[in-house]
Amino acid sequence: DTAVSQTPKYLVTQMGNDKSIKCEQNLGHDTMYWYKQDSKKFLKIMFSYNNKELIINETVPNRFSPKSPDKAHLNLHINSLELGDSAVYFCASSHRGLNTEAFFGQGTRLTVV
Amino acid sequence: TQLLEQSPQFLSIQEGENLTVYCNSSSVFSSLQWYRQEPGEGPVLLVTVVTGGEVKKLKRLTFQFGDARKDSSLHITAAQPGDTGLYLCAGITGTASKLTFGTGTRLQVTL
Repeated sequence: DTAVSQTPKYLVTQMGNDKSIKCEQNLGHDTMYWYKQDSKKFLKIMFSYNNKELIINETVPNRFSPKSPDKAHLNLHINSLELGDSAVYFCASSHRGLNTEAFFGQGTRLTVV
Repeated sequence: TQLLEQSPQFLSIQEGENLTVYCNSSSVFSSLQWYRQEPGEGPVLLVTVVTGGEVKKLKRLTFQFGDARKDSSLHITAAQPGDTGLYLCAGITGTASKLTFGTGTRLQVTL
């Protein structure tokens, strides 16, 4: 019954590899997000999709490519992983609009070695 | 670039003490939210404040939005070990529901 679920929870991979993180929400929300939390716990938005359309694209290397096959799913594919990509990546969803509550997944801890 | 600075960064107190966490910005936000994050979990919403000067209470937690909608504070009365966690403020702007998170305050409450 998890509202926002992302897989995997942990991901350890070597530099240069390509990896994907998957996210699904069963809340009926129309907007989904990817956030990155660094080692200092700073949480920064990367992307946002509304009804499968990209609406927020912060300054993120183009090695990161989000894909939203439908409103309930938002996946994140990362090419040519670098050491600096190590972080916890959070998926979130909400209804679009002001004052809306964002529901977050449990996070995916990515470690690039 | 919108920045939200939180202070203090770290706070270690004993059960029963009171504390206040501050969230400051030079930018104006449509509304502001406070989240709490526990280890290994995603942030969970505590409150949303919308109107400048608004005060909201959630049991022992009191949230205030600054008159100019640039800052906010979270006051906890009689802290308990269950209050331990990372507290994050987040400002909302625009219709894209973009959250700009603060730098975070890590609170530890000991017996």
